[in-house]
Amino acid sequence: DAKTTQPTSMDCAEGRAANLPCNHSTISGNEYVYWYRQIHSQGPQYIIHGLKNNETNEMASLIITEDRKSSTLILPHATLRDTAVYYCIVRVGFGNEKLTFGTGTRLTIIP
Amino acid sequence: EPEVTQTPSHQVTQMGQEVILRCVPISNHLYFYWYRQILGQKVEFLVSFYNNEISEKSEIFDDQFSVERPDGSNFTLKIRSTKLEDSAMYFCASSWDRSDTEAFFGQGTRLTVV
Repeated sequence: DAKTTQPTSMDCAEGRAANLPCNHSTISGNEYVYWYRQIHSQGPQYIIHGLKNNETNEMASLIITEDRKSSTLILPHATLRDTAVYYCIVRVGFGNEKLTFGTGTRLTIIP
Repeated sequence: EPEVTQTPSHQVTQMGQEVILRCVPISNHLYFYWYRQILGQKVEFLVSFYNNEISEKSEIFDDQFSVERPDGSNFTLKIRSTKLEDSAMYFCASSWDRSDTEAFFGQGTRLTVV
């Protein structure tokens, strides 16, 4: 079973920041938070991951709370191409452990 | 940018037939995976593969399924006798290391069993 809880769906206006929350209250000390997205039945696409520090890359920022029980993925300037299902996944950061996908958040960017 | 390539993009097969789904992982990657997604459902893990052997498999991955890395570049999933419920998108993925790295997914093969 997935170890995360996400809202089923969210809307965001084009050009605004999209903030996607995720709860992972049972996360263990050696588990990372990963974010993937899936655009219309294409293969899942990696976005970002982190352990306890906030992370930023060219796609997004990841804010992890100090107690690590929740996190927020931020898409700073959402475009229509960001419409997708976003998955928050906790995973041990070593070994080839599988990704366990939940139902994710369906993000719709509105023009 | 390197990518995982899957062929064919769509395969239609008759129930009971054998199918082989092919994947070319990213060249320096060492860990390989198959996932599937039945229409409207979650992405589900099938199997992981490292050093020419299965590392982990799910309950879905029964005796009808097998994987192989026949020539050092391809990674295949074989379904011996397809059933209607095998109809799904099948995604191949690869990653290069066992530390905290991301897995890269292919665009998938849509398998339709009729």
